Amino acid sequence: QVQLQESGPGLVKPSQTLSLTCTVSGGSISSGSYYWSWIRQPAGKGLEWIGRIYTSGSTNYNPSLKSRVTISVDTSKNQFSLKLSSVTAADTAVYYCARANWGWRAYYYYYMDVWGKGTTVTVSS
Amino acid sequence: SYELTQPPSVSVSPGQTARITCSGDALPKQYAYWYQQKPGQAPVLVIYKDSERPSGIPERFSGSSSGTTVTLTISGVQAEDEADYYCQSADSSGTGVFGGGTKLTVL
Repeated sequence: QVQLQESGPGLVKPSQTLSLTCTVSGGSISSGSYYWSWIRQPAGKGLEWIGRIYTSGSTNYNPSLKSRVTISVDTSKNQFSLKLSSVTAADTAVYYCARANWGWRAYYYYYMDVWGKGTTVTVSS
Repeated sequence: SYELTQPPSVSVSPGQTARITCSGDALPKQYAYWYQQKPGQAPVLVIYKDSERPSGIPERFSGSSSGTTVTLTISGVQAEDEADYYCQSADSSGTGVFGGGTKLTVL
């Protein structure tokens, strides 16, 4: 059974770059046809979709974050990563990585079926 | 970008039926998905492609779609169903979006 685990610094200074890694275990990140996604949640608030990457390297980002976000994949390590630049206190949140199913039926579909437990990142000096 | 709108809260007594709605102009041409999130835990998928239920999710969870509104229905609500529920959709360009979330309170 596939499991995901987020890792990275829990504290980042304002204006610096937040860097997180998601390690996939129990299966190869390259097997199947999945998008690997990042979602975040500020304390007491709702979920915000950040972006996704396919193992080919193809990415899609939330338009509101696009100028600051980079998602990459390292298939040799079975990992994918998130970088968010020029962070402010507004970027303080629990960050989740997730596996996403996608494809076409009557419409395009894309949804997250396996989630990591999340990691808390605080932006503060 | 587009938005999905959910009511902030829904309350129901045990054994009753809870209905949580999610509205969005793009929903007539997009699938919707529902996640349950309990305090301190990651979200769990409970409905995908409007009305399909993942294995392991109780049959009391169901989903439906009508026009610009999708609905998560929980029949015979149990105390353990108290949680936040989020709808999600995605356009064909691959951009995902979540609704603001609905807190389900079991009275």
